[in-house]
Amino acid sequence: AQSVAQPEDQVNVAEGNPLTVKCTYSVSGNPYLFWYVQYPNRGLQFLLKYITGDNLVKGSYGFEAEFNKSQTSFHLKKPSALVSDSALYFCAVRDANAGKSTFGDGTTLTVKP
Amino acid sequence: KAGVTQTPRYLIKTRGQQVTLSCSPISGHRSVSWYQQTPGQGLQFLFEYFSETQRNKGNFPGRFSGRQFSNSRSEMNVSTLELGDSALYLCASSLAGVINEKLFFGSGTQLSVL
Repeated sequence: AQSVAQPEDQVNVAEGNPLTVKCTYSVSGNPYLFWYVQYPNRGLQFLLKYITGDNLVKGSYGFEAEFNKSQTSFHLKKPSALVSDSALYFCAVRDANAGKSTFGDGTTLTVKP
Repeated sequence: KAGVTQTPRYLIKTRGQQVTLSCSPISGHRSVSWYQQTPGQGLQFLFEYFSETQRNKGNFPGRFSGRQFSNSRSEMNVSTLELGDSALYLCASSLAGVINEKLFFGSGTQLSVL
């Protein structure tokens, strides 16, 4: 069975500093990896995905993610954090059956001014 | 283009009752999936529908059921509600439910069971 782990419940960074939200995965076969963000009282919004190709994936709002096959990781990064980036972030892997996604437990990012 | 619409936004029910939640996907999207979000369990997959057929099902009891209509709108039903069913129920849609597609989520239905 596939799984996703987000080892940090909470990440705190100062505005303007780089941020990293960690994700590791376990799948059989090729991984199809996604990052989503959830703001309070809202559904999840897609940020970026890795399907194949370049290990560095660029997404919405200046976010990017680095796929590392040997470390089975897909960490979310941003060079300069904004207070408005404060939200709940989910890493997910798409099932080979396609209809199901398995999500990590989420990481709360807090960016302080 | 309108996004994924879930109704109602909030629901309060008592134990033993049943509830029906509705989801209208983005126009043209044929795959609809449902997730339960709780603080302790995170996001748990309930089921996925495509062209009115359930293709995938998560590990939830039979009290949780769903269906999809010919216009791709979907409903989820929970019978004999339990306190532990209190959660945010999220609906997501995609064009065809294939592996490289991103999901578009609704804002969810917050269900409170008293």
